[in-house]
Amino acid sequence: GQNIDQPTEMTATEGAIVQINCTYQTSGFNGLFWYQQHAGEAPTFLSYNVLDGLEEKGRFSSFLSRSKGYSYLLLKELQMKDSASYLCAVLSGDYKLSFGAGTTVTVRA
Amino acid sequence: GAVVSQHPSRVICKSGTSVKIECRSLDFQATTMFWYRQFPKKSLMLMATSNEGSKATYEQGVEKDKFLINHASLTLSTLTVTSAHPEDSSFYICSAKGTGDYNEQFFGPGTRLTVL
Repeated sequence: GQNIDQPTEMTATEGAIVQINCTYQTSGFNGLFWYQQHAGEAPTFLSYNVLDGLEEKGRFSSFLSRSKGYSYLLLKELQMKDSASYLCAVLSGDYKLSFGAGTTVTVRA
Repeated sequence: GAVVSQHPSRVICKSGTSVKIECRSLDFQATTMFWYRQFPKKSLMLMATSNEGSKATYEQGVEKDKFLINHASLTLSTLTVTSAHPEDSSFYICSAKGTGDYNEQFFGPGTRLTVL
């Protein structure tokens, strides 16, 4: 089975930076995704990493270390609208997505 | 591009009735679609993989006779919750597998099912 861990909650101030860590143990690996999900809505794609290193996309960056089974999502210049749940998901060897429980980020003014 | 729709967005039904949820890929063909269930404040759990023209593959613990999946065309998969009970109340989300380099799944907007 898959084991994906991420913190339950994080709080930060508007304009600040927050880093959400994700550790995983899976059978086979075909990449790691980060999704943003607002309450009652479907997840929206943020990033995809399959090779080690940092992928930067505007205010959001994602890092992957395959040898350590570790990823993080970095959110910079936080805005109120960034308050949401952030899901780490691993694409396993059979191309199925397994999701972590999600990290609820609350941005305070 | 890569838009996935779901219908209905919300449904309330009585216990014992069946409910059908449709998932459509609007601007691309999807040979593989996935059905997930999400309980409040929990993560998405994969229920089954729907393959066009063949039987769905169910995850362990998911009753295939209760959650009927039909993937009759390259743009449509349906999930029917048969004899629904209150414990089936959940947020059901489908996704369609794209054909690009990312192996990305494009998610539908979800269906909120409430069984009274």
